[in-house]
Amino acid sequence: ETGVTQSPTHLIKTRGQQVTLRCSSQSGHNTVSWYQQALGQGPQFIFQYYREEENGRGNFPPRFSGLQFPNYSSELNVNALELDDSALYLCASSRPIVPNTEAFFGQGTRLTVV
Amino acid sequence: QQQVKQSPQSLIVQKGGISIINCAYENTAFDYFPWYQQFPGKGPALLIAIRPDVSEKKEGRFTISFNKSAKQFSLHIMDSQPGDSATYFCAAFSGSRLTFGEGTQLTVNP
Repeated sequence: ETGVTQSPTHLIKTRGQQVTLRCSSQSGHNTVSWYQQALGQGPQFIFQYYREEENGRGNFPPRFSGLQFPNYSSELNVNALELDDSALYLCASSRPIVPNTEAFFGQGTRLTVV
Repeated sequence: QQQVKQSPQSLIVQKGGISIINCAYENTAFDYFPWYQQFPGKGPALLIAIRPDVSEKKEGRFTISFNKSAKQFSLHIMDSQPGDSATYFCAAFSGSRLTFGEGTQLTVNP
């Protein structure tokens, strides 16, 4: 078990709604990354936060946004939900990028958009 | 854009056999190559990782072989056990992100 916790574990939303997912990073880790994992596929990088600033973003539209708080926990917000947003959303925490790049994942939040 | 290609998509081995999963990458900026194991309903768990200045790394029954010139790397699971049945992902790290392969569903029969 990693020290990365995510909430909620499951969520059902209606198309067009907004959702907020939460992540608490492992102790000593100040970098948090979010990934989207569609069924049967590998995780896709959404963005990373380091010291409360976005530090890299994948190919996701602006309606995907995030925050990192002073205690290094993080939120992922998705506006105007679409059916294709249904996926497992994973949070990963790590120590500063260089030299340690080991990322530890939480159990994920399963989002279903209907 | 698929930058890490993984094969096979699924793999069935007998208990005690060797499981081999292969990955190939394109981006020479990748500088760290981890493998993750994922069970249904769980997040990926870091299994073993290698840097490109090393050709092989072994941890217990798990070995990564790395060929920098061919831009390929593979995971070998020796003495495969039914408990190893899971989905395995190779990944490559550059900048701030991990790029994952599409996964291999491994089934180890008793």
